[in-house]
Amino acid sequence: QKEVEQNSGPLSVPEGAIASLNCTYSDRGSQSFFWYRQYSGKSPELIMFIYSNGDKEDGRFTAQLNKASQYVSLLIRDSQPSDSATYLCAVRQGRDDKIIFGKGTRLHILP
Amino acid sequence: DVKVTQSSRYLVKRTGEKVFLECVQDMDHENMFWYRQDPGLGLRLIYFSYDVKMKEKGDIPEGYSVSREKKERFSLILESASTNQTSMYLCASAFMRQGNIQYFGAGTRLSVL
Repeated sequence: QKEVEQNSGPLSVPEGAIASLNCTYSDRGSQSFFWYRQYSGKSPELIMFIYSNGDKEDGRFTAQLNKASQYVSLLIRDSQPSDSATYLCAVRQGRDDKIIFGKGTRLHILP
Repeated sequence: DVKVTQSSRYLVKRTGEKVFLECVQDMDHENMFWYRQDPGLGLRLIYFSYDVKMKEKGDIPEGYSVSREKKERFSLILESASTNQTSMYLCASAFMRQGNIQYFGAGTRLSVL
């Protein structure tokens, strides 16, 4: 089982709709979870982090964490064409504090 | 704002050359990382460092070495560049007390001919 798994996409979402990006992880002791956005040809940029079970909201972004199911998601409300990018999920493992990145999900917002 | 600066955005080198990629951060972070990113393979960790003069191998260290003589600077060295090292190289730094959140530089796109 891969340590951090994401659907590679592309995920196509109409402008104005909610985009839902999902990530699962294998290390049950993981404590910290991050979402990065990466535009084509650019470097990853941190957009959200979450440590506790439940939801965390920041503007149009909501991160959701369910440690029992080892699942973290990112919701983007009112999707805009500028949200078209690859979204990387990253997990800080409990056993060694290492940050493990998923391979990313490509999101395409349809105008 | 955290600033992680990589010395070059684009670099073209020839097979067999020794290549230095430099990374400087201005936030007094203890931890620094070098990754390469290739289509379909995601981010792969080459080396990392948790302190000055310390280095640890990541997942793909073969063909690379690193140097960390000062806290703010972490260099990646390709001893003898090969065509399969053509890639995007990303440097990151992190503050352990901030949960090891990594902040990335702009990246260096290296082509080895």
